[in-house]
Amino acid sequence: AQSVTQPDIHITVSEGASLELRCNYSYGATPYLFWYVQSPGQGLQLLLKYFSGDTLVQGIKGFEAEFKRSQSSFNLRKPSVHWSDAAEYFCAVAPSFFGNEKLTFGTGTRLTIIP
Amino acid sequence: GAGVSQSPSNKVTEKGKDVELRCDPISGHTALYWYRQRLGQGLEFLIYFQGNSAPDKSGLPSDRFSAERTGESVSTLTIQRTQQEDSAVYLCASSTKKPKSPRYQETQYFGPGTRLLVL
Repeated sequence: AQSVTQPDIHITVSEGASLELRCNYSYGATPYLFWYVQSPGQGLQLLLKYFSGDTLVQGIKGFEAEFKRSQSSFNLRKPSVHWSDAAEYFCAVAPSFFGNEKLTFGTGTRLTIIP
Repeated sequence: GAGVSQSPSNKVTEKGKDVELRCDPISGHTALYWYRQRLGQGLEFLIYFQGNSAPDKSGLPSDRFSAERTGESVSTLTIQRTQQEDSAVYLCASSTKKPKSPRYQETQYFGPGTRLLVL
């Protein structure tokens, strides 16, 4: 069964600084990988996803993520954070074969932005 | 509306009572998912619908939990004889995924959730 680990429960970053949120997965083959953001009082929004091809994936709101097979990682990055990026971020994995529809989520990383 | 909607947004109930949670998916979305998010934890998959059938119920934690869906429309998640450990946010998502279509064609769109508190 697949699993996802987000080792950082809470990260604090100054506005304008760069950001990297870590995600490690466990799966027997190349999975499908996702990053979602959950802002207070709002539903989950998809930031980006990786299925195949270029290992550097661009998403919405200036985010990008890089798939590294050798490290089983899919870290999320942003060069310069804005106060509006404060939210909870979830990494998720799905199997790359038909018939299994589950998204398995990590426990999330809460991002705080300080002025 | 354009997005997934869920009702009620908040529900407080007493231990032992039954509750029904409702999800209205985006119109035309064939696939529907229920997840549970306990405080400080990630989302747990509960059940997946394709149309009104449920090919994957493996995430339902006990026989107190059940769900149904009418066609490709509204779904209800029912929790019978609620327990305090059922307290969580219950999230619904929908997508255009069809059976045996590649996952990369799918994006799951989430509703705002129902916050359930069992006293």
